[in-house]
Amino acid sequence: RKEVEQDPGPFNVPEGATVAFNCTYSNSASQSFFWYRQDCRKEPKLLMSVYSSGNEDGRFTAQLNRASQYISLLIRDSKLSDSATYLCVVNMYSSASKIIFGSGTRLSIRP
Amino acid sequence: ETGVTQSPTHLIKTRGQQVTLRCSSQSGHNTVSWYQQALGQGPQFIFQYYREEENGRGNFPPRFSGLQFPNYSSELNVNALELDDSALYLCASSYRQINEQFFGPGTRLTVL
Repeated sequence: RKEVEQDPGPFNVPEGATVAFNCTYSNSASQSFFWYRQDCRKEPKLLMSVYSSGNEDGRFTAQLNRASQYISLLIRDSKLSDSATYLCVVNMYSSASKIIFGSGTRLSIRP
Repeated sequence: ETGVTQSPTHLIKTRGQQVTLRCSSQSGHNTVSWYQQALGQGPQFIFQYYREEENGRGNFPPRFSGLQFPNYSSELNVNALELDDSALYLCASSYRQINEQFFGPGTRLTVL
């Protein structure tokens, strides 16, 4: 079983749709969680950190469920510019970092 | 822009050679992490340096080594290059080990 698992997609949705991604992780002691987006042949860019209380940034909402060991990302009113690969990241820190990226979920927004 | 820079942008080496990649961290950051990203995959964690000490390592052999300098810039060294080492190498800086990371543009390494 992979330490961090994501649905690879691709997700192909119309502009204006709401789309949700989940990411599961295996280590219950994991310390920090993030969502990144990556455009083709570019570096990953931080989208948002993920907290148990949930956090929102405009059209984006992230949530952490420690009991079920997953994080989620919700994108509302999707735009063409949201087309990218979305990567979840877990730092299984315990005296030293062990940072695991999911393999990414491809999202394509169609007009 | 994140303020994280990497050099060189592209590099071509032959099997068996050695390579050094460089990364300058964002101002105020004391932690640098290195990743290898093959086409179509997520970045794979190589190691992390915090205040000049290695602070975590992924499943990479010892021929992958690194350094962090007093100004928190960092180097990744790869010895005895293999064809499978061809990838995009990314560095990311952060303030502390578990905080958000900001990536540089990467170095694309091709091993022939």
